[in-house]
Amino acid sequence: GESVGLHLPTLSVQEGDNSIINCAYSNSASDYFIWYKQESGKGPQFIIDIRSNMDKRQGQRVTVLLNKTVKHLSLQIAATQPGDSAVYFCAEINDYKLSFGAGTTVTVRA
Amino acid sequence: EAQVTQNPRYLITVTGKKLTVTCSQNMNHEYMSWYRQDPGLGLRQIYYSMNVEVTDKGDVPEGYKVSRKEKRNFPLILESPSPNQTSLYFCASSLVGGNTIYFGEGSWLTVV
Repeated sequence: GESVGLHLPTLSVQEGDNSIINCAYSNSASDYFIWYKQESGKGPQFIIDIRSNMDKRQGQRVTVLLNKTVKHLSLQIAATQPGDSAVYFCAEINDYKLSFGAGTTVTVRA
Repeated sequence: EAQVTQNPRYLITVTGKKLTVTCSQNMNHEYMSWYRQDPGLGLRQIYYSMNVEVTDKGDVPEGYKVSRKEKRNFPLILESPSPNQTSLYFCASSLVGGNTIYFGEGSWLTVV
């Protein structure tokens, strides 16, 4: 079946460095892609989204890139901070149905 | 403050004892949904609702029921819980067509 998946389950990054979290998807009909951040003991929080007709979108310290040719989505976090330590999920929306990947745990080293 | 509120946050119950996890949102959102989160599997959608009296199955609906009698409430019902329903459950809501989905804080459910 079609699914959304992340390439790596864990990522360790030095404080101040840039982080790149990757996600592969297989449903080419999806309308939206969203990145969520989940801190321990909390529900997922919206970070940034991108429509399927875009290839890049920037927010505050975050950039999402969408490559529809290879069905790849990435989240770039600039100048990673300790507060960025969390599990990051990519998700796709297709006809109001939200499908999540398994998540990447990001650990920021001081 | 915009909120999605779930109760209970933590529950240990026994196999076969019916339970209900409540979910309420104060944002007048039409769309509400339930997810379960399991290690290595991410979040999987159980049921969703586009509006009052409109509900649909998600990816993993077996063993669950929902109802949407009022716009603000979307309870998740486990008629006869089993140990494989031990999980972390999240309720979420949004406007129909909106891409900002608000999640509750989660409900840890253990079935023994």
